[in-house]
Amino acid sequence: QVQLVESGGGVVQPGGSLRLSCAASGFTFRSSVMHWVRQAPGKGLEWVAVISYDGNNKNFVDSVRGRFTISRDNSKNILYLQMNSLRVEDTAVYYCAKGADGYKYWGQGTLVTVSS
Amino acid sequence: DIVMTQSPDSLAVSLGERATITCKSSQSVLYRSNNKNHLAWYQQKPGQPPNLLISWASSRESGVPDRFSGSGSGTDFTLTISSLQAEDVAVYYCQQYYSTPQTFGQGTRVEIK
Repeated sequence: QVQLVESGGGVVQPGGSLRLSCAASGFTFRSSVMHWVRQAPGKGLEWVAVISYDGNNKNFVDSVRGRFTISRDNSKNILYLQMNSLRVEDTAVYYCAKGADGYKYWGQGTLVTVSS
Repeated sequence: DIVMTQSPDSLAVSLGERATITCKSSQSVLYRSNNKNHLAWYQQKPGQPPNLLISWASSRESGVPDRFSGSGSGTDFTLTISSLQAEDVAVYYCQQYYSTPQTFGQGTRVEIK
């Protein structure tokens, strides 16, 4: 069965960096478009970034463009989100998700807290 | 960016009654080349990731009870729960995947009256 398992969250000071990982299994990862979506505490869902199956095409929400990068290792079935220059408003649960017409599969999420 | 606006923000419905949530997009999400609306609905329960209920505005995902239905086209969409059950208490989101950023509505909280 499809599994997505995020890791790498934690507490970081403003201006700091974190790298999130999403380990995928149960499907052909190298053929799949992958997304990161976040949810601030008590708030709604916000799409963050997308990467094409081969990693050649990427896109970001404006609020993170230039600070976050998305990448993937198709040999290891892992999706990454490198987050730099973190801000208090980046505090959220970060989910990886799979899907091209809606996101049928989601991980359980990893919490990122940006606080001094 | 396409702005997705849901209404109401919350609603309370008696068990067995109908619940209706609307979602309006700031521009059409109907893709002419495939004549499909790039619109999804999700259910999210506390402490869980969202669960995809409906894609293409009206196509129910496998395993989703048939009391959930989606309708609409262009910029106006509706999610209907025909007979509310206790397990349907959740927050519901619409999302457009017509263009990036793939924006979500603000969510509608459904409770039991």
